[in-house]
Amino acid sequence: ETGVTQTPRHLVMGMTNKKSLKCEQHLGHNAMYWYKQSAKKPLELMFVYNFKEQTENNSVPSRFSPECPNSSHLFLHLHTLQPEDSALYLCASSQVLSSGANVLTFGAGSRLTVL
Amino acid sequence: DAKTTQPNSMESNEEEPVHLPCNHSTISGTDYIHWYRQLPSQGPEYVIHGLTSNVNNRMASLAIAEDRKSSTLILHRATLRDAAVYYCILGGNNAGNMLTFGGGTRLMVKP
Repeated sequence: ETGVTQTPRHLVMGMTNKKSLKCEQHLGHNAMYWYKQSAKKPLELMFVYNFKEQTENNSVPSRFSPECPNSSHLFLHLHTLQPEDSALYLCASSQVLSSGANVLTFGAGSRLTVL
Repeated sequence: DAKTTQPNSMESNEEEPVHLPCNHSTISGTDYIHWYRQLPSQGPEYVIHGLTSNVNNRMASLAIAEDRKSSTLILHRATLRDAAVYYCILGGNNAGNMLTFGGGTRLMVKP
């Protein structure tokens, strides 16, 4: 257990479904992130929230909709996805250390399969 | 974003030291050098970070070149559980500062 909890761990959905991924951290961190990891590709940053405000949207299609109601929770709402959206979706949180570095703590990920 | 270059894969024998190199010739003065690793079926985990001086922690050591254009992650005695993808990435000092991951180095450890 890393301190960042993602649910569900596995999700299978059809292209017309609407589902949500949830991420929760109780580390007291102020920043939260969504990353996408497709097979044989590097992690791709999707969204960044800092103090509940979205500070980065890395050209993500609108079928992915993030929500950050507070600094401890982050959601990724999914609708009308495509099979190529099948991937591991990773949530992370961070806080700037006393050394000055911004260090990420990742969850275990939600494995999404779109049929 | 400043980019990093790492070998795609490396192999090591169990209980031997491993030196994982990383080149980051376009690093800026405020970039920290971070290392993360990703074990199979898990999210990445933090290993170590540094700015200018060499760093040691319970997991590894980080050697940073004097010009900061390269660094080396050192695992002093590789175990089978160290088999993972190791990512060298550069990041700033702001919470919310995004960290861009490259392809990393897949470390294979032979018994």
